[in-house]
This record gives sequence, C-alpha cells and structure tokens, in this order.
Amino acid sequence: NAGVIQTPRHKVTGKGQEATLWCEPISGHSAVFWYRQTIVQGLEFLTYFRNQAPIDDSGMPKERFSAQMPNQSHSTLKIQSTQPQDSAVYLCASSSGQGGTEVFFGKGTRLTVV
Amino acid sequence: QQQVRQSPQSLTVWEGETAILNCSYENSAFDYFPWYQQFPGEGPALLIAIRSVSDKKEDGRFTIFFNKREKKLSLHITDSQPGDSATYFCAASGTGNYKYVFGAGTRLKVIA
Repeated sequence: NAGVIQTPRHKVTGKGQEATLWCEPISGHSAVFWYRQTIVQGLEFLTYFRNQAPIDDSGMPKERFSAQMPNQSHSTLKIQSTQPQDSAVYLCASSSGQGGTEVFFGKGTRLTVV
Repeated sequence: QQQVRQSPQSLTVWEGETAILNCSYENSAFDYFPWYQQFPGEGPALLIAIRSVSDKKEDGRFTIFFNKREKKLSLHITDSQPGDSATYFCAASGTGNYKYVFGAGTRLKVIA
C-alpha cells in the first residue's frame, strides 16, 4: 500500500497560467478529499467525493477552481488563471467511509505561483 | 470563525518530559476528534483519535483527555523523544460528517 499518491510534489506556475494537480487515492477507498494548507489559513477543506460523485465543494473558491474524479483511481484539482494567493500546499486524502473513519493524507503538492 | 483552537502555538520540552497540547472547540455537534502529526514535507498522519462518548483514549505514549462539558481536550505525550518533534493538529467532525475542521496546530520541539 503506497498510500495516497500526489503528483507533482512541487509545481511552479506563472501568474495567469493553469495548474493541474493529481491524486491517486488508496485502492478501495470510496471517499476522496482535497484540502489546502497555508501558514496563514492552516488546513482548509476544499471538496469531497464519495464513490466518484461530488458531494461537497463548499470550500472551493467559486471561480477558477474545479475538481474532478473521472474514475476511482484518480482525482484532479485544476486551478485556472493562477494567482499568487493560490500558492499553498494542496493535500489529497482518502478514507474507506464516512465520518469517524481514518482519513489518510498524501504528501501534498506545493504550488508556487510567481 | 475559528471553530477549533489549539494552544500553545509552539512548545519546547526536554527529552523524557511530558508534552501537553491543548485543543478547544465551539460546535456542540462535533463528536469525533482525531489528532494528526505532521513532519516537514509530509502530509498529516493520524496519531490518535477519540469520540465524545469517551473521556480518555490511550495509545502507548500518547493519551487524549476529553472534557465534553467544557468542550476541551488535550493530547499528552509522555517520555517525549526528539523524534516526536513535529506539528500536531487537533481536528473535529460531527456524526456522519466527512469534513474535518482543523486547529492551527502546535509546533512541538523535543530537545535531547
């Protein structure tokens, strides 16, 4: 079990460019989450999929951010027209069920917008 | 609105001492409280968790004490080791809820 795999580990984009972050959840896990981590805001929930269906995207900035889960083995987080304030570590996590079950985090993708 | 608060922001203890990390919350609907440990460059990893029906959870050197009435909990790390130096996050979620609310974290440093 390689755990939750995120690629790339580091990404640098120019202001206004698009960034796509990839996540491979643990095999067999039905729940996939995306969080964002910054020094100022800490760990913030972005969005959640269950059995590939989007359940809650209440943490996603309404513009420029989108997430998809085209199959059970991967999810993507896309940020269009990146801005310096998007610079953060984006963490993907997965779990086997709903609340109260262990959530496993990946190592994150550090996005730097210059 | 910061629903989960942690203190202190940073803590330094000597090897062998007990480190005490505090957490408080506002939402009475929260009933599951995991603590995550994070090393630089890594994702958070579950350390220990407690449900609100319990007032204590122990796992080796790590113990959670929970006070539902005061909406407070604490993580005690006994016999602290340099390898315990990390940032510790308290999180909370409600029954059947999938979404964690995280505290800002406590950065622990254990000096040999």
